[in-house]
Amino acid sequence: GQNIDQPTEMTATEGAIVQINCTYQTSGFNGLFWYQQHAGEAPTFLSYNVLDGLEEKGRFSSFLSRSKGYSYLLLKELQMKDSASYLCAVLDSNYQLIWGAGTKLIIKP
Amino acid sequence: SQTIHQWPATLVQPVGSPLSLECTVEGTSNPNLYWYRQAAGRGLQLLFYSVGIGQISSEVPQNLSASRPQDRQFILSSKKLLLSDSGFYLCAWSVPSDGLNEKLFFGSGTQLSVL
Repeated sequence: GQNIDQPTEMTATEGAIVQINCTYQTSGFNGLFWYQQHAGEAPTFLSYNVLDGLEEKGRFSSFLSRSKGYSYLLLKELQMKDSASYLCAVLDSNYQLIWGAGTKLIIKP
Repeated sequence: SQTIHQWPATLVQPVGSPLSLECTVEGTSNPNLYWYRQAAGRGLQLLFYSVGIGQISSEVPQNLSASRPQDRQFILSSKKLLLSDSGFYLCAWSVPSDGLNEKLFFGSGTQLSVL
């Protein structure tokens, strides 16, 4: 079956750096997405990776290794507003989007 | 710019009652439209998607149905709600030229409680 694994919850300190990992086993691969979701709100798009390597966008970066079935989202200079759930999703060979359960990130002052 | 509107934000309904959730998109033509359900601690579950007026694809057998009466309107319905229909429902759209399930833009969600 198809599977996306990411930690359920992580805690980090304001101003620090945190890395949220995502591993996947899917039928083929056509890209990986990261979304941010604040409690009770809609997910919002953060990044899309289809080639190996690091994509940097401000304080957020996303890394992909297709051979390892692995991605991470790196958040730098953490702010309290970064407290949210981070969802990893993979587009498989049939262009079906497979979602992870999300990682709840708690930022402490 | 494009916007997506979803309502209501919260809904409490008795078991056996009907349901109608509405979603509209502005500022784009012929969007791909989606209905998702999100249960606590689980990944988003795709319920329905539509690539055009009257074209509905169902991903999972269920108590719900969807309709697309207009290009930018997507409706999620049920004739008789079950307790298991409780959850957070999200409407989303994507640019059709990007392909199905590419970058999604979500509505604000509806928290449905069936009692």
